[in-house]
Amino acid sequence: QVHLQESGPGLVKPSQTLSLTCTVSGGSISSGGYYWNWIRHHPGKGLEWIGYISHSGNTEFNPSLKSRVIIMGDTSENQVSLRLSSVTAADTAVYYCASTYSSGPPYYGMDVWGPGTSVTVS
Amino acid sequence: DVQLTQSPSSLSASVGDIVTVTCRASQSITMYLNWYQKKPGKAPKLLIFAASSLQSGVPSRFSGSGYGTDFTLTIDSLEPEDFATYYCQQSSTSPYTFGRGTKLDIK
Repeated sequence: QVHLQESGPGLVKPSQTLSLTCTVSGGSISSGGYYWNWIRHHPGKGLEWIGYISHSGNTEFNPSLKSRVIIMGDTSENQVSLRLSSVTAADTAVYYCASTYSSGPPYYGMDVWGPGTSVTVS
Repeated sequence: DVQLTQSPSSLSASVGDIVTVTCRASQSITMYLNWYQKKPGKAPKLLIFAASSLQSGVPSRFSGSGYGTDFTLTIDSLEPEDFATYYCQQSSTSPYTFGRGTKLDIK
């Protein structure tokens, strides 16, 4: 069973870049069929999918954030990273990494989640 | 983007009740609709994937149905641990959008 753990600074200044890491254990980020997603939950609001990187390195992003987002994989550390540039207070949220396993497109939901990491932009 | 409209936005019920939450998509997403349970301070938990498939380890009192644009999550015989917020999410078309949630609390 894959286990995910997010890490990163809890406080980021406006206009700076938010950088988070998701450490994957119990499986390799390059294992076939896996998609590694980032999702965020704004305080008192709903969930927002940010984007993913696949086992083969393909990426897909939410167009609302695409100009500011980079998602990368580090196979040597078995980690997936999220970088969100030019942050504002609107980026304050709990950030989660979550995995999808699918032999094709990521159709079947995100079944493993990290506990999340809270980020405040101030 | 595919918009998902959940109803109701909130719901009060008692232990033992049967509850139903609906999710309507702005366009057909065939079967690619998932349901999550979220409790405060915890990560979302996948309950149902592909509209009606029960995720491993999830109690059988949870069930899902639907196809195309209209979907339903049903919880048979509510247990105390079921009081939470429920979200639908479509995985048919990027961006993979979520509904706004249905908060289920104790009557």
